[in-house]
Amino acid sequence: DVKVTQSSRYLVKRTGEKVFLECVQDMDHENMFWYRQDPGLGLRLIYFSYDVKMKEKGDIPEGYSVSREKKERFSLILESASTNQTSMYLCASTRLAGSQGEQFFGPGTRLTVL
Amino acid sequence: SQQGEEDPQALSIQEGENATMNCSYKTSINNLQWYRQNSGRGLVHLILIRSNEREKHSGRLRVTLDTSKKSSSLLITASRAADTASYFCATGADSNYQLIWGAGTKLIIKP
Repeated sequence: DVKVTQSSRYLVKRTGEKVFLECVQDMDHENMFWYRQDPGLGLRLIYFSYDVKMKEKGDIPEGYSVSREKKERFSLILESASTNQTSMYLCASTRLAGSQGEQFFGPGTRLTVL
Repeated sequence: SQQGEEDPQALSIQEGENATMNCSYKTSINNLQWYRQNSGRGLVHLILIRSNEREKHSGRLRVTLDTSKKSSSLLITASRAADTASYFCATGADSNYQLIWGAGTKLIIKP
């Protein structure tokens, strides 16, 4: 059974802390994505990666960075967490180019920044 | 950049009835996809329809696509309590690496 896993389901951090969100997929997909989801706004793309060590900015990259050192793992980093980064974070992967096929999602990490 | 817009934003029906959700988009697409999300969890892919297709079925799901009107509809027949979820459409285009997502329709099935 194909799977995308995320390191935490719930996370509470303080303003200014550095936060790491980890995502691992076991499908040997080239493409991985980080989204944030807020009520009424749908999914907004933060960053994506189409290969190891490659990354591209999405629509809302400010305040975030990413790392992809291995094909199966894509990390999202909040350099200095702020309250407006309180959100649900979803990781996804896909074999085809991001717009062309089904995306497989992890269960999400609900991050609260106090 | 949000392209898909679902309509209605929320829908509440009795179990056994059919549920119809609509999605409109603005630019040319290569494909349109529907996803389901239960109770604030991750999304699950339901169905993908390509721009040269007009209708597609999967079990109790029926998706139509009208590229001239830039719209799609998702029909769930004989709804069940387990269909209670939020439903999102997402569009893909050759000119764009990413899917563009709508804000979703929240569907509630009353027993």
